[in-house]
Amino acid sequence: GQNIDQPTEMTATEGAIVQINCTYQTSGFNGLFWYQQHAGEAPTFLSYNVLDGLEEKGRFSSFLSRSKGYSYLLLKELQMKDSASYLCAVIGRRGGGNKLTFGTGTQLKVEL
Amino acid sequence: DVKVTQSSRYLVKRTGEKVFLECVQDMDHENMFWYRQDPGLGLRLIYFSYDVKMKEKGDIPEGYSVSREKKERFSLILESASTNQTSMYLCASSSIPGGAGNEQFFGPGTRLTVL
Repeated sequence: GQNIDQPTEMTATEGAIVQINCTYQTSGFNGLFWYQQHAGEAPTFLSYNVLDGLEEKGRFSSFLSRSKGYSYLLLKELQMKDSASYLCAVIGRRGGGNKLTFGTGTQLKVEL
Repeated sequence: DVKVTQSSRYLVKRTGEKVFLECVQDMDHENMFWYRQDPGLGLRLIYFSYDVKMKEKGDIPEGYSVSREKKERFSLILESASTNQTSMYLCASSSIPGGAGNEQFFGPGTRLTVL
């Protein structure tokens, strides 16, 4: 089976940097995603990691260590609009297709 | 622009009713998924399909069935709705596995209330 853990809530200040951690246990690991979800909206794709290391995309970066079953999402120069839930999801092969298992999400609140 | 649409944003049904939730994608994706999202439980996979007329159970298939007669359309069916099926239902699609192509695109969601 698959198990994903991430903090429930985090608070940070506008302009600061925040790191959201995610640990996972899975068989047949085939990549890790981070999604952003604003209240009442659908999740939207942020990043994908399948190899160890850091992937940078603008203000957002994502890191993966497969040996440790660990990832983090780094948000720089925080803006109020970054207040949202951040979902860590692990993909594995199941049956004839790919299957994504989500963590419960980290609710990030950005304050002035 | 990629698009996944769901038939309703809000739906209210009574216990015992048969409920159909429709999802359509215009990206020619092979894979389609149905999730439900509940506070504190996150997104949980109900069923998925990797090809027309193919379906596989996810983590919580009990009380649900699905239909995929055409590539672009994936339907979720609640044969006899119950109050514990009150939830937000999200449909998603993705192309065949391959690097970042694993990305899933989500529809806007259907908030179903069963009275």
